[in-house]
Amino acid sequence: QTVVTQEPSLTVSPGGTVTLTCASSTGAVTSDSYPNWFQQKPGQPPMALIYSTTNKHSWTPARFSGSLLGDKAALTLSGVQFEDEAEYYCLLYHDSAWAFGGGTKLTVL
Amino acid sequence: QVQLMQSGSEVKEPGASVKVSCKTSGYAFISFGVSWVRQAPGQGPEWMGWINTYNGGTSYAQNFQGRVSMTRDTSTSTVYMELRGLRFDDTAVYYCTREGDGYGYGIWGQGTLVTVSS
Repeated sequence: QTVVTQEPSLTVSPGGTVTLTCASSTGAVTSDSYPNWFQQKPGQPPMALIYSTTNKHSWTPARFSGSLLGDKAALTLSGVQFEDEAEYYCLLYHDSAWAFGGGTKLTVL
Repeated sequence: QVQLMQSGSEVKEPGASVKVSCKTSGYAFISFGVSWVRQAPGQGPEWMGWINTYNGGTSYAQNFQGRVSMTRDTSTSTVYMELRGLRFDDTAVYYCTREGDGYGYGIWGQGTLVTVSS
């Protein structure tokens, strides 16, 4: 089964820009992996941010964007705010199954 | 509006089975598949499987093959997830989530806590 790898932790200053990535053990992440990105804060369910690589949900703040970066999926936060401190998970599709990454803990300070 | 409403918390003994329901509303039930995801305390989410609400077809994660069953009732727009042979490490919050347009998982149930305890 697919193993999805994310940076365990990243730190960013308020107002800065940070990119989180998501790699697959099956090879390059492509649009056919339909990457989804989620934000999760303690005690809350995951909140969807991005789907199908680049698409935002109606509630996704404009500072969040998704892309492919080399052979990985990427989530970029521009103009980071304190409220963006959270765990971020990617979700990839491969061979009739989905797999979550282990998550990136984003610290804003 | 689109909603997924899950059944309440459960406490089960090791070896037992649990069946969690997810009642959908606000959209055409058979038009969108549903996945089940669980999250153990302090851990990340884990995808368990998916059900095609139109024809009942399923796809299960390898980790749960033989132990999980996902079904649906089109008359009540409800999907079910049954997990058998419960172990202590099955203690988790279980979520249903709708696979929307573009394979986006934007809509989630509120979660169901399943505790496995002797």
